[in-house]
Formats: sequence, structure tokens, C-alpha cells
Amino acid sequence: GDSVTQMEGPVTLSEEAFLTINCTYTATGYPSLFWYVQYPGEGLQLLLKATKADDKGSNKGFEATYRKETTSFHLEKGSVQVSDSAVYFCALSDLKSNSNYQLIWGAGTKLIIKP
Amino acid sequence: KAGVTQTPRYLIKTRGQQVTLSCSPISGHRSVSWYQQTPGQGLQFLFEYFSETQRNKGNFPGRFSGRQFSNSRSEMNVSTLELGDSALYLCASSLRRARGENEQFFGPGTRLTVL
Repeated sequence: GDSVTQMEGPVTLSEEAFLTINCTYTATGYPSLFWYVQYPGEGLQLLLKATKADDKGSNKGFEATYRKETTSFHLEKGSVQVSDSAVYFCALSDLKSNSNYQLIWGAGTKLIIKP
Repeated sequence: KAGVTQTPRYLIKTRGQQVTLSCSPISGHRSVSWYQQTPGQGLQFLFEYFSETQRNKGNFPGRFSGRQFSNSRSEMNVSTLELGDSALYLCASSLRRARGENEQFFGPGTRLTVL
């Protein structure tokens, strides 16, 4: 079945460092891909998304490119801030193979930014 | 447009009691999914309701149940509470479209503590 694999955390960086959080997926169809972020004490909120190969999602300085050839959707940011400290979840939606409409979730990666 | 709302935000119960959590989806969204989030197990899918019917169910015991009303509001109930039920319970709503990315919108969660 479909699955999402994220790099394990926590990831600890200094402010203004470059960020990459890896996400790879397996899917039989043509999934849509998402990154969600969860700030401390809050629910999840959509950070960015991409619906087809080579699409680039971007928001708040974060970017991720849908790479079909490597089945990846890595999250990147050029210069992180302390306020980016949160847990990041990668997820996919693949209606062709997953007709129950549910998102398939990665385990989440905790990001800690030190000033 | 108002977001997903969950009540109450915090709840403290004792073992053996039962609890009911409420979720109001975004206007027009007819699908409501429930998740349990714990530090050890991460984000786990409980169940999904659409048009007042449970459409999908995760791997949780029968003590966890839910329902959806005609206005799409949903409740989940946990009976005979155990210490391990302490968690953040998240509700998410979506349009559940046959095409498209089926993005989920999350509420802030209900923090349940079982003593």
C-alpha cells in the first residue's frame, strides 16, 4: 500500500541555517503531496502542497518540489528562524489506490531552531 | 470562513469515566476525521464520518466511537477511560471530492488527560 517516510528527528539547527527535511513516498497512482506543520500546543495546518509531478509548492519561505522520478517531496528553507520550531508532517492523497479518501501520513519530524 | 472548532480544548478525567469531544467542521465540509496524537505513537487515524455515516476506521478498540449529525458536526466518545487514552485528539474536515487533493483542515485539538 501507499506509504510516506520522513527523516527522523529531532533536527536541530542554528538560526539562519539551511533546512532540508526529507520525505519519500510509495504510491501506485498519482498522488497529491502535502506538508503540514504543527506549532507547539496547536493543531496541524497546511504549509504547502503539490498536485502533480514537477510542481513546486511554496509558502512562508518553505519550498518542496514533487519529484516523481525519485518519489520525493523534500521540504527546504533557505534561512530558518526560531519561530519555525515545530513538528513537520509529510502526507499524500492517492485516490487511485486509496479510495477511502484518507491522507497517508509520515511520522513527523521535530525541528528545533536555536538562536 | 470560520475554521474547524473543537470543544472543549482541555479535559481532565479519571480512569473508568467516559468522555465526549465535539468538532464543528468548516462550513460546506461534510467529511470529518478524528486523530489521536501522542508523543509515543504519533498521529493515528481513529475514524472518518461523511454524510452521517462512518466511512473509515482505524485500529482502535470499540471504546472509541463517534457519530456525525445532519449539520456535519461530529462527536467522538471514549468510554471506560484508561491512562493510555491521555492524548491530543484532533479533528479535521475536508470536502471529500472525487477529484483533487482532498486537503484536510485541522482544529486546535482537545487535550485529554486521564488520571
